[in-house]
Amino acid sequence: GNSVTQMEGPVTLSEEAFLTINCTYTATGYPSLFWYVQYPGEGLQLLLKATKADDKGSNKGFEATYRKETTSFHLEKGSVQVSDSAVYFCALVKWAGTALIFGKGTTLSVSS
Amino acid sequence: GAGVSQSPSNKVTEKGKDVELRCDPISGHTALYWYRQSLGQGLEFLIYFQGNSAPDKSGLPSDRFSAERTGGSVSTLTIQRTQQEDSAVYLCASSNTGGTNYGYTFGSGTRLTVV
Repeated sequence: GNSVTQMEGPVTLSEEAFLTINCTYTATGYPSLFWYVQYPGEGLQLLLKATKADDKGSNKGFEATYRKETTSFHLEKGSVQVSDSAVYFCALVKWAGTALIFGKGTTLSVSS
Repeated sequence: GAGVSQSPSNKVTEKGKDVELRCDPISGHTALYWYRQSLGQGLEFLIYFQGNSAPDKSGLPSDRFSAERTGGSVSTLTIQRTQQEDSAVYLCASSNTGGTNYGYTFGSGTRLTVV
């Protein structure tokens, strides 16, 4: 079946450090890939997405590239801020409107 | 309303009681999803409704869990004979399935505590 595996946290960084959160997936065909973010006390929000191989999703300084050859969608940011502290979820969907399948989430904590 | 509305926001129940959780999706969204978020388990898919099609119940963890969607709009997730391991945040989402639209919108969730 379809599944998403992401690196376990917590990830603890100092402000302005480089961030990578690894995500790999297992799926038949060509899923679409997402990163969602959940800030403390808030709901789940879409951070970025990519719908086909080699697409790069980007938002708020975060980027992720859909790599079909390695079945990966790693999240990166060049310089994290304290306000980036949150839980990050990688997810896939086979077709628009079907259920998102999530990884277990990675907690990021950024200190000043 | 503008977003996905869930009620109640918090629910404390005694072990063995039944609970009902409600989700009001965005008007016009044809698809509705239920997820469970618990520590160490991330976001588990529970059930998915798409229009008038039979729901995808493949994620329901046991026969104590069921869900309905009336009139293609409001959905109710029912947990019978609650157990302590059912304690979690239950999230609902809805989406518009046209074309390549990936606009999934999540509610704020219902935090269920079974004591």
